[in-house]
Amino acid sequence: GAVVSQHPSRVICKSGTSVKIECRSLDFQATTMFWYRQFPKQSLMLMATSNEGSKATYEQGVEKDKFLINHASLTLSTLTVTSAHPEDSSFYICSARVPGRQSYGYTFGSGTRLTVV
Amino acid sequence: GNSVTQMEGPVTLSEEAFLTINCTYTATGYPSLFWYVQYPGEGLQLLLKATKADDKGSNKGFEATYRKETTSFHLEKGSVQVSDSAVYFCALSETASGTYKYIFGTGTRLKVLA
Repeated sequence: GAVVSQHPSRVICKSGTSVKIECRSLDFQATTMFWYRQFPKQSLMLMATSNEGSKATYEQGVEKDKFLINHASLTLSTLTVTSAHPEDSSFYICSARVPGRQSYGYTFGSGTRLTVV
Repeated sequence: GNSVTQMEGPVTLSEEAFLTINCTYTATGYPSLFWYVQYPGEGLQLLLKATKADDKGSNKGFEATYRKETTSFHLEKGSVQVSDSAVYFCALSETASGTYKYIFGTGTRLKVLA
């Protein structure tokens, strides 16, 4: 149980276009989801916290107009990279807090590798 | 602020060798500690966890003990296998803020040779 489905797993897009990444909780309701970015050979950096029905909370240094987050339902959060540039190429991973499991470990999606050409 | 420091990799071992990956942390309050594993091309999977001092997390032959006095959570395995080749992340969960955000270490790549 407690599965988070993330797709697409890989996407290649042209510079200047927008890309949407979806993260779905399959068998639980995720009131809070987290979006991370992972650069090659580096750790995961939290980009933003997504709360169902309200605006996302962005970490310092993350452009909220560039990385649009929508959490319109209890099972779906989306990250849209707008006007993508090559420097946005990265591995993006979402995670969700599983109800009743508080800090006992979150469930992570399988990640999306974005390549902007 | 809170932070996690991991030993730099890559770590290359022969099959059946003993593994230790060091992890130390800085945190206010009483964080929960985790080890996650990331196989090539995949997301993170929880390997083990410990929620209070002296707790020992264990899974698939891996172990780590929450040491408050040394602020450490070192990962160990007595006999590694080729299938253990992956990147291992140490992480803490900030419980004091109530947000349960994760802070990750930089990850340690393990390569096990047959």
